[in-house]
Amino acid sequence: DAKTTQPPSMDCAEGRAANLPCNHSTISGNEYVYWYRQIHSQGPQYIIHGLKNNETNEMASLIITEDRKSSTLILPHATLRDTAVYYCIVRDRGAGNNRKLIWGLGTSLAVNP
Amino acid sequence: DGGITQSPKYLFRKEGQNVTLSCEQNLNHDAMYWYRQDPGQGLRLIYYSQIVNDFQKGDIAEGYSVSREKKESFPLTVTSAQKNPTAFYLCATGHPRDTEAFFGQGTRLTVV
Repeated sequence: DAKTTQPPSMDCAEGRAANLPCNHSTISGNEYVYWYRQIHSQGPQYIIHGLKNNETNEMASLIITEDRKSSTLILPHATLRDTAVYYCIVRDRGAGNNRKLIWGLGTSLAVNP
Repeated sequence: DGGITQSPKYLFRKEGQNVTLSCEQNLNHDAMYWYRQDPGQGLRLIYYSQIVNDFQKGDIAEGYSVSREKKESFPLTVTSAQKNPTAFYLCATGHPRDTEAFFGQGTRLTVV
């Protein structure tokens, strides 16, 4: 079973920030939070990952709460091309735990004009 | 683009026939993975390989087979033993100690 909980769907107006929440209340100390997105009928695309500090790259920002039980992916200026299913995944990056990610159902984000 | 090529994008087969899906990568990644995705569901791991000539079963390996004779290639065969083969199949690559961050564009298999 997936170790994360996400809302099944969200809407966002074009040009506004999209804030996608994720709960991972059972996360352990050596597990990272990863975000991927999947545009319809394409392969998933890596967005960002983090352990405890907030992270930012050219695609998005990741805010992780101090207790690490939840996180938020922020798309600062959503465009129509950001319409996709967004997956939040926790994963241990230690040796011997590299073989898979456990995928939940994700959040279907619709960016509206 | 992205260094992972899955072909073909759409594939149709008759029930009872074996079919092989191709996955080729030029990213020099050691690890390769095959996932299956059904409508409205997350990805489920079929097989993975961390090194040439070695592979391991994932969560839903029954009815599938793989080979890893070259680092660049990890073909997946869907056999007639797979009861519900119609699905979207995704190949991914990565470094063994890292996440499988790179995905191909997928092959949509329809068995009629």
